[in-house]
Amino acid sequence: GAVVSQHPSRVICKSGTSVKIECRSLDFQATTMFWYRQFPKQSLMLMATSNEGSKATYEQGVEKDKFLINHASLTLSTLTVTSAHPEDSSFYICSARDYRGLGSPLHFGNGTRLTVT
Amino acid sequence: AQSVTQPDIHITVSEGASLELRCNYSYGATPYLFWYVQSPGQGLQLLLKYFSGDTLVQGIKGFEAEFKRSQSSFNLRKPSVHWSDAAEYFCAVGADSSASKIIFGSGTRLSIRP
Repeated sequence: GAVVSQHPSRVICKSGTSVKIECRSLDFQATTMFWYRQFPKQSLMLMATSNEGSKATYEQGVEKDKFLINHASLTLSTLTVTSAHPEDSSFYICSARDYRGLGSPLHFGNGTRLTVT
Repeated sequence: AQSVTQPDIHITVSEGASLELRCNYSYGATPYLFWYVQSPGQGLQLLLKYFSGDTLVQGIKGFEAEFKRSQSSFNLRKPSVHWSDAAEYFCAVGADSSASKIIFGSGTRLSIRP
């Protein structure tokens, strides 16, 4: 079964509203989680590294104020798309590895499809 | 910086034919390499990975990949494809010491001809 759960799987929102996406590790603890964005028929682009108890690290070109990341516990990271616009419509995927490191598998969530109207 | 190149955007092969998807990476040290598959509208599934050791890696669904340091390549192969193999395939490299931060290639879309 899925060990990284993303919620919601699909969301439609109106332009200007904010949307929160959750990424949970179900049976392991993850000090670090990662958020990716995938536009239609394109690859996954790493957006940011979510660090438990500290600020997220954003990749170049990703707006920190636009994509708020909170990693308040060892099993939950949230991505909030603030003041969403149609160009933010995308498939968002998170990943996490058991904190014990390289020997444990890296798990991806099933993704969240965001549509901004 | 680490990067991955998949030179083929779209490949079509006949069912039962062999398959090779190309992947080249750029990385200073010994890379952690992965192949993932994504069906339309779905999440990612790991096919196989290379961390160290034997350069020929066996994965799920009959796939294998060979790490060739001299060519900076990690090509994915399957001797006989099935219609269910039609999907998007991503080669990826681990960008940190724990191979948790993954950098993906642009992907190759595989179509299967009946």
